[in-house]
Amino acid sequence: NAGVTQTPKFQVLKTGQSMTLQCAQDMNHEYMSWYRQDPGMGLRLIHYSVGAGITDQGEVPNGYNVSRSTTEDFPLRLLSAAPSQTSVYFCASRGVYGYTFGSGTRLTVV
Amino acid sequence: RKEVEQDPGPFNVPEGATVAFNCTYSNSASQSFFWYRQDCRKEPKLLMSVYSSGNEDGRFTAQLNRASQYISLLIRDSKLSDSATYLCAVRDQAGTALIFGKGTTLSVSS
Repeated sequence: NAGVTQTPKFQVLKTGQSMTLQCAQDMNHEYMSWYRQDPGMGLRLIHYSVGAGITDQGEVPNGYNVSRSTTEDFPLRLLSAAPSQTSVYFCASRGVYGYTFGSGTRLTVV
Repeated sequence: RKEVEQDPGPFNVPEGATVAFNCTYSNSASQSFFWYRQDCRKEPKLLMSVYSSGNEDGRFTAQLNRASQYISLLIRDSKLSDSATYLCAVRDQAGTALIFGKGTTLSVSS
């Protein structure tokens, strides 16, 4: 099925661990982005990319790295996980008909 | 002032009721406007784009007032299945970021 695929769906990390959240889309969208969603805070933009090799920071980039080596993939890396990064993470890509979101990754940092 | 603001609700209405949500945005140069629907523990899904002339999709009507910098969503003949959180979203001037409000929760009861 065409769309945005995120893995894993759930993850528990210990403080200080690193990990990569995967995001892949098969719609040939140039624009991709990462959001986090926290209770009472809404969706906040972490990083985005307008094409392979081009990334930029959003509203809350600290503690996260991204890269875009291909059109299809846009992984989000947590360098040293902190409890404040406990959240639901959504990847989204944008095409002619608007944004398509992945089903999310629920991350808990203990 | 947050860029996009919504009344969080909750709005509790009976089946068949008409309910309206408003959303204000702070950047007068914003380009595009959207309403998303998000079910509990799911990803946001595009409900409708909002056009300057207003637009309708079945029981849903969206309006944009650029002078007052707000968008609205009207739901007529509410159904139980309309229970969800409704997010308004505004694309920034550069077109690189989609900024969300915190969402308005709707609960439709029988």
